[in-house]
Amino acid sequence: GAVVSQHPSRVICKSGTSVKIECRSLDFQATTMFWYRQFPKQSLMLMATSNEGSKATYEQGVEKDKFLINHASLTLSTLTVTSAHPEDSSFYICSARGPGRGNGYTFGSGTRLTVV
Amino acid sequence: DQQVKQNSPSLSVQEGRISILNCDYTNSMFDYFLWYKKYPAEGPTFLISISSIKDKNEDGRFTVFLNKSAKHLSLHIVPSQPGDSAVYFCAASAPGQNFVFGPGTRLSVLP
Repeated sequence: GAVVSQHPSRVICKSGTSVKIECRSLDFQATTMFWYRQFPKQSLMLMATSNEGSKATYEQGVEKDKFLINHASLTLSTLTVTSAHPEDSSFYICSARGPGRGNGYTFGSGTRLTVV
Repeated sequence: DQQVKQNSPSLSVQEGRISILNCDYTNSMFDYFLWYKKYPAEGPTFLISISSIKDKNEDGRFTVFLNKSAKHLSLHIVPSQPGDSAVYFCAASAPGQNFVFGPGTRLSVLP
């Protein structure tokens, strides 16, 4: 079945630094990937839709200059949290859309970001 | 405007009994529906799907029912097991469109 690898699974960084999270589709090409954020005991919040070779589409309220998304190939999308602050600490999840609707989107295992 | 709603944020069920998770949608163009299961600190995993040409799809202990006229679907888990404790998301899509996810329902199966 389709697999999406998300790396790293956990990261701790200092305030003011940047962190990059990678999302790879391992056995299929994903023209569209999605980035979500989940706060404790809350639902998934869609941050942006990433399309290969074009600019990401950000949801309302999400700062595109803070959360940089790059989808340079059909199997890789990256999310960079720039100048991280403690309030950026959260669980970030990516998903990828495969060629058909079949099983919907395949999700990565998530990245726990802690900014200290 | 929330197109996919899961009005119960949480549900508790005794082990061995039936769990029923509900989902309502507003977009009549939606024709494909999914349920995902999510454990803490993990990404959601696909559970079961249903197309609008069907009103029921069954996979082991999991059955999804679709009522198109009511724009309602439900996920039945029977018998419920402690390992089923998780957050369940329903999602819907129209042809050629991205999936829209509901806010999730946290299921707790009590031993």
